[in-house]
Amino acid sequence: DAGVIQSPRHEVTEMGQEVTLRCKPISGHDYLFWYRQTMMRGLELLIYFNNNVPIDDSGMPEDRFSAKMPNASFSTLKIQPSEPRDSAVYFCASSPGTVNTEAFFGQGTRLTVV
Amino acid sequence: RKEVEQDPGPFNVPEGATVAFNCTYSNSASQSFFWYRQDCRKEPKLLMSVYSSGNEDGRFTAQLNRASQYISLLIRDSKLSDSATYLCVAIRDDKIIFGKGTRLHILP
Repeated sequence: DAGVIQSPRHEVTEMGQEVTLRCKPISGHDYLFWYRQTMMRGLELLIYFNNNVPIDDSGMPEDRFSAKMPNASFSTLKIQPSEPRDSAVYFCASSPGTVNTEAFFGQGTRLTVV
Repeated sequence: RKEVEQDPGPFNVPEGATVAFNCTYSNSASQSFFWYRQDCRKEPKLLMSVYSSGNEDGRFTAQLNRASQYISLLIRDSKLSDSATYLCVAIRDDKIIFGKGTRLHILP
């Protein structure tokens, strides 16, 4: 298995534009997590899914952020409209049957909003 | 106050030395604990789980103290390749909560 695949690896966009980040989890993993990492705040859990269903989105900063998981092999995190303070590295991670096991991270998307 | 807290460091340690750092968690309902390692501009990767009885993996030893609500990581005979950020993780109610990490620099 190729591991968790995220795209794009880097994204530079102008303030106000829509940004869509994509994630393909490891096949067979039931949990999918979206994290945001900044120097100031560290690694923050934004939302996670279990069997494609959003379980906890309390970490989503505001209504500009939305996440979907239409099937077991694909998830998106969308920011609309984007703002400079959204600049961060966004990681997707997946985990097998129970969350009390190892989470495997993708390489991340480095987002810069100018 | 963040739910999982770590000393950000950096810890600058000579090669071959032993280094230890702690992580505290505020929610007593936390069920499972892990240490992850993150290299510069890379993704976090699991280093080891932390068991109540303590556990060892080669040069690495992890301990859990539920009474005082902290976990620790000890690295013996440190190598240059141990330079990284070490992230403490607590799991509560199926949520994986990361600390901000402790930066470790091993000096030649």
